[in-house]
Formats: sequence, structure tokens, C-alpha cells
Amino acid sequence: DTAVSQTPKYLVTQMGNDKSIKCEQNLGHDTMYWYKQDSKKFLKIMFSYNNKELIINETVPNRFSPKSPDKAHLNLHINSLELGDSAVYFCASSRQGQGAYGYTFGSGTRLTVV
Amino acid sequence: GEDVEQSLFLSVREGDSSVINCTYTDSSSTYLYWYKQEPGAGLQLLTYIFSNMDMKQDQRLTVLLNKKDKHLSLRIADTQTGDSAIYFCAESGYNKLIFGAGTRLAVHP
Repeated sequence: DTAVSQTPKYLVTQMGNDKSIKCEQNLGHDTMYWYKQDSKKFLKIMFSYNNKELIINETVPNRFSPKSPDKAHLNLHINSLELGDSAVYFCASSRQGQGAYGYTFGSGTRLTVV
Repeated sequence: GEDVEQSLFLSVREGDSSVINCTYTDSSSTYLYWYKQEPGAGLQLLTYIFSNMDMKQDQRLTVLLNKKDKHLSLRIADTQTGDSAIYFCAESGYNKLIFGAGTRLAVHP
């Protein structure tokens, strides 16, 4: 069983389109995250949700809108895609924000905007 | 501010030890982590250390923590070609992980 699963794994789309990435975790964690990894492999937090409530929004453009319908899901919708949005997006989950076991990451969604 | 720094590249011969270094800024971090990312893959938690520990050993991995200098290191003994990957140091911030830029480890015969 996959602990944190993201779909799709690859996404190629044109500038200006709207797209969504889905994330689900079956670990019973109460906190979920979106991270962005740029072309230089630098990883940065975008959003954090705890029990469906937004707790971190790291100055991400409002074209990015996370939605958490329940504790096990955190989806990422992106409007009006730009070339600079091309990156690998990782979903993650954890227990109560941090802990000895760290965070469990999904395998990533590679978004390419052309 | 939040900043985790790592050297970007390390090349070692198969069978040698690898040491990857990291410095962090937040002295209140409860845990410090090492993650491994293989090409095209996600992030795998390798090991972690609690902030009141100086050292942690887990098979071929040894983590050293110097809280005074805010320095963390990961030593991989008997490095194998399968250890080739990017290694990320991370500190636990408020409800998030703060990552370094990653160290690309290349293992050659």
C-alpha cells in the first residue's frame, strides 16, 4: 500500500491552462503539505494543512489554491499556468506537524509548462 | 532567519567513507533529518537525530550533531554505488521542514 500517493506522476500542459494535482495519504496523519522542488533541486514549503485547516502559506501566488476536503486529502489547483511553474511538486504528511519519524513524502508530480 | 546550508557535490570511491556536512540556523529545532533522493524518485527518510543527542548510529550511517556550532553531519561507511543520490539535510521548523540545497553524492569505482 502506498502511504502518500500523488496523481498524476507527470503533467505536461500549455501556458495559461488550469490544472490540478491530487494527493492522498493512508497513514492517519493529521498534517499535510505541498513542497516545490525547482530545477536546481531546491525544496521549499508551499502550504501546510492541519486537520483541513490552512496553517502555512509561504507567499505562494494566489494562482495556487490548495483544497483539503478531509484529513487524508490535499489537492493543489493551479490557475493560468506559467513557464516558471515547471517543477516537481511533492505532497507530504506528518503527525502533528513534526516528530521523530519526520515526514512521509509522495513520489512527486513533474509539471512541465510549455 | 531560516537557512540550511550544504556543500553541493561530493565524489568518493566505492568502499570509502562519505561525510556530508550541513549547517542550520534554528537552535530550537527539535529534530534534524537526513533525506535521500535517488534520480527521478521522491524523498526517503534516511535517519533523524533528536536535538539533545550528539551522535546516532544506524548500520552504515552515523549522524553527528554539534549544537553549539549548529553543525550536522552524515557519515556513510563503505559507500556503495547504490548510495549515489542527493542527500538533503532538514531542520524542523514550525509545522514545516526546512531543507538544505542538497548534496549530490557520486560514487565511482
